[in-house]
Amino acid sequence: AQTVTQSQPEMSVQEAETVTLSCTYDTSENNYYLFWYKQPPSRQMILVIRQEAYKQQNATENRFSVNFQKAAKSFSLKISDSQLGDTAMYFCAFSNNYGQNFVFGPGTRLSVLP
Amino acid sequence: DAGITQSPRYKITETGRQVTLMCHQTWSHSYMFWYRQDLGHGLRLIYYSAAADITDKGEVPDGYVVSRSKTENFPLTLESATRSQTSVYFCAIQWRWRAPEAFFGQGTRLTVV
Repeated sequence: AQTVTQSQPEMSVQEAETVTLSCTYDTSENNYYLFWYKQPPSRQMILVIRQEAYKQQNATENRFSVNFQKAAKSFSLKISDSQLGDTAMYFCAFSNNYGQNFVFGPGTRLSVLP
Repeated sequence: DAGITQSPRYKITETGRQVTLMCHQTWSHSYMFWYRQDLGHGLRLIYYSAAADITDKGEVPDGYVVSRSKTENFPLTLESATRSQTSVYFCAIQWRWRAPEAFFGQGTRLTVV
C-alpha cells in the first residue's frame, strides 16, 4: 500500500519570502502521479501542481515549483514570493497510474505573516 | 468546471440515526471517491467507484455504505451514526482518461451528537 508523509505539521513564512514544504512517499510502482493541494479556510480543495513520475523535469506553476527526487521518493513544494493568500493547509497526494488509489498526507498548515 | 455538488453542507444528527450524504456530478466522470478529513490524518479514503454499479472499499470503510446506480450520483450512508464519524466529508471525481488529478466538492461537515 502507498503511504504519504508530511513531517512538518505547521510552518510560517514572512510575506515575499520563500518557503519549502516537504513530502515523502512510499510505493513499489514505477508510474504514478504526485500532487500538491491547497485547502484555504473556505475548505475547498484546490490543485496547486502535479508531477508525472515518468517526467524528470520538475513541474512549475507560476510561484509554485516542486523538487521531485524519484529515487529518494521525495516531492517538496517551493512557494516563492509568498503572499497572504497562500495561508492554507497544504496536502501532498499520490495517485497510481490508474487513478483509483488516491492517497493523501496528513497536511502542513502554512501561515504567511505580514 | 467539473460540476461536482455535495449536499448538505452542514448536518447535525444523533447517535444511532441513519444519515445520507449526497454527491452529484454533471459530467460523466468515471471515478468517484468519498473521503473523510480529520485533524492529523489528512484525507482518508472511505469508498471509491470506478463506474456505475462498481464500488470498492478504501482505507476506512467500516460503518459506511455506498451505492452508484447512476453514473452521476454517489451517495454515502452512515447506517447508524457514531460520534467517531463526526468529520468533514469530501466527494471527489476524476477524469480518468483525460487528467489524473481529483476534483473535490465543497465538503459536508457532519456532527454526530
